[in-house]
Amino acid sequence: AQSVSQHNHHVILSEAASLELGCNYSYGGTVNLFWYVQYPGQHLQLLLKYFSGDPLVKGIKGFEAEFIKSKFSFNLRKPSVQWSDTAEYFCAVTASGGYNKLIFGAGTRLAVHP
Amino acid sequence: NAGVTQTPKFQVLKTGQSMTLQCAQDMNHNSMYWYRQDPGMGLRLIYYSASEGTTDKGEVPNGYNVSRLNKREFSLRLESAAPSQTSVYFCASLPGTGGSYSNQPQHFGDGTRLSIL
Repeated sequence: AQSVSQHNHHVILSEAASLELGCNYSYGGTVNLFWYVQYPGQHLQLLLKYFSGDPLVKGIKGFEAEFIKSKFSFNLRKPSVQWSDTAEYFCAVTASGGYNKLIFGAGTRLAVHP
Repeated sequence: NAGVTQTPKFQVLKTGQSMTLQCAQDMNHNSMYWYRQDPGMGLRLIYYSASEGTTDKGEVPNGYNVSRLNKREFSLRLESAAPSQTSVYFCASLPGTGGSYSNQPQHFGDGTRLSIL
């Protein structure tokens, strides 16, 4: 069965610090990978996605992620975080084909202090 | 520009009561999903509907039933609520079914926060 692991459950940073959130998945076939963000009290929004092509994908608000197939990883990065990035971040995967069921990681709660 | 609309936003139930959570999307999407979100566990799929007239179990279906009333609406029912079902419930939709849509992001509603005493 597919699964997604997010290694950091809580991250605390100061503004302007760099961010990297880890995500690993287990699935032997072709996958589509997503990072979603949930700001306090809001619904999930898509940050970025990867399904083919350049393994370095850029998303909204300066976020990027790199797909490393050999490591089954899809880590999220941002060079300089802002207070407004305080949110919970979820990595998710779907298998190519099938009914597009999203498998989510447990989430990483990011707090950015001014 | 409503997207995915969930009602109610908040609800408190007593153990054993029943309740239906409503979800509607106005994007003409074929696939719809119900998730529950619990601290430290991310979102887990309860049921999904790949198209009008079909429903299938997800990862945690026990204690729930669903109805795909039409293409727009997908409801989630708790027949006899239990404290373990205290959670935030999210509905989501996707334009199509099958592999050609697997790289498309799901659109989420604002959630229903449900507490069961």
